[in-house]
Amino acid sequence: GESVGLHLPTLSVQEGDNSIINCAYSNSASDYFIWYKQESGKGPQFIIDIRSNMDKRQGQRVTVLLNKTVKHLSLQIAATQPGDSAVYFCAENSGGSNYKLTFGKGTLLTVNP
Amino acid sequence: KAGVTQTPRYLIKTRGQQVTLSCSPISGHRSVSWYQQTPGQGLQFLFEYFSETQRNKGNFPGRFSGRQFSNSRSEMNVSTLELGDSALYLCASSPLSGGAVGELFFGEGSRLTVL
Repeated sequence: GESVGLHLPTLSVQEGDNSIINCAYSNSASDYFIWYKQESGKGPQFIIDIRSNMDKRQGQRVTVLLNKTVKHLSLQIAATQPGDSAVYFCAENSGGSNYKLTFGKGTLLTVNP
Repeated sequence: KAGVTQTPRYLIKTRGQQVTLSCSPISGHRSVSWYQQTPGQGLQFLFEYFSETQRNKGNFPGRFSGRQFSNSRSEMNVSTLELGDSALYLCASSPLSGGAVGELFFGEGSRLTVL
């Protein structure tokens, strides 16, 4: 079935450190993966995406890694800042449609100043 | 450019009632999706509309329905409300048409409490 899960529900880091948030997916037909950030009281905000024909994609201070062999996705945040504190969700497009996302449960990232 | 606007932001209903939530997508966006967010189940896909047609549907009962108007604005309706329908309902719009993947722009949601 379709499912996306997270290894760690909470992550606490010091300001300036690098953060790594992990995600496992189970649907081998998924061909598009996205990371979203959700701050308290707001809707999810797109961070970065990656297609299944890639294994790495970089954005501003963020990098997404995709390992299709073990069905694993990770989000790396460089030089984590207090403003990065939020819940992070990975999501997968389960192959059939590009507009039907399956979200993971989320990881709460707390950045300590 | 205005973001995705959802109304109302908060509402309280009692069991058995019905509710209609509204979503105005970003200007020019033609795809509108709805998600339910609860602490226990997380974000779950409800349905997606494009050009007034429901293209995709999630695994929710028939009490959940939606529609999209010619100006791309969308509404969702939940009839015969149950306590478990208490959730944050999120609307998202996308600028891309057809089958291309693209970024979803979420609104801030409508917080529904069912008593």
